Amino acid sequence: AQSVTQLGSHVSVSEGALVLLRCNYSSSVPPYLFWYVQYPNQGLQLLLKYTSAATLVKGINGFEAEFKKSETSFHLTKPSAHMSDAAEYFCAVSVFGNEKLTFGTGTRLTIIP
Amino acid sequence: GAGVSQSPSNKVTEKGKDVELRCDPISGHTALYWYRQRLGQGLEFLIYFQGNSAPDKSGLPSDRFSAERTGESVSTLTIQRTQQEDSAVYLCASSLVGGKGDTQYFGPGTRLTVL
Repeated sequence: AQSVTQLGSHVSVSEGALVLLRCNYSSSVPPYLFWYVQYPNQGLQLLLKYTSAATLVKGINGFEAEFKKSETSFHLTKPSAHMSDAAEYFCAVSVFGNEKLTFGTGTRLTIIP
Repeated sequence: GAGVSQSPSNKVTEKGKDVELRCDPISGHTALYWYRQRLGQGLEFLIYFQGNSAPDKSGLPSDRFSAERTGESVSTLTIQRTQQEDSAVYLCASSLVGGKGDTQYFGPGTRLTVL
């Protein structure tokens, strides 16, 4: 079975600083990897996904993530944090033939003015 | 077009009562999923419908939970004899075909509180 680990349940960065949210996965077969964002009192919105094409994936709102098979990682980055980035971020994995998403426990991102 | 919609947005019930939660997927999406999000936790998969195939019920936590889907449209999640541990946000998602990394689009959720 596949799984996801998000390191750091809470991350705080200053406005304008680099955002780095960590995600490591475990899967015995090639994974599909996703980052979702959840703003307060809203549903989940897809930021970006990896489906075995380019290993560097660009998403919405200036976010990107790089699939590194050797490190079993799919970390989310953004060069310059904005106040509107404050939210909870979830990494998730699925595999071919098992379409359900397995989510990490989430990382709450706080932006310091 | 319209996204995934869920109703009600909030439901407060007494322990032991039955509840029904509704999900309207995006039109044309053949796959539909239910997840549960407990306070401070990630999302847990509950059940998956794909076209006319038998649903994947592997995530349902007990036999008090059941779900139905009519064709490729509305789905209803039913919880019988609710318990306090059932309190959570129940999220529905749909995707165009299901599988191969197909994007799942989430609804706003139903917040269930069991007193």
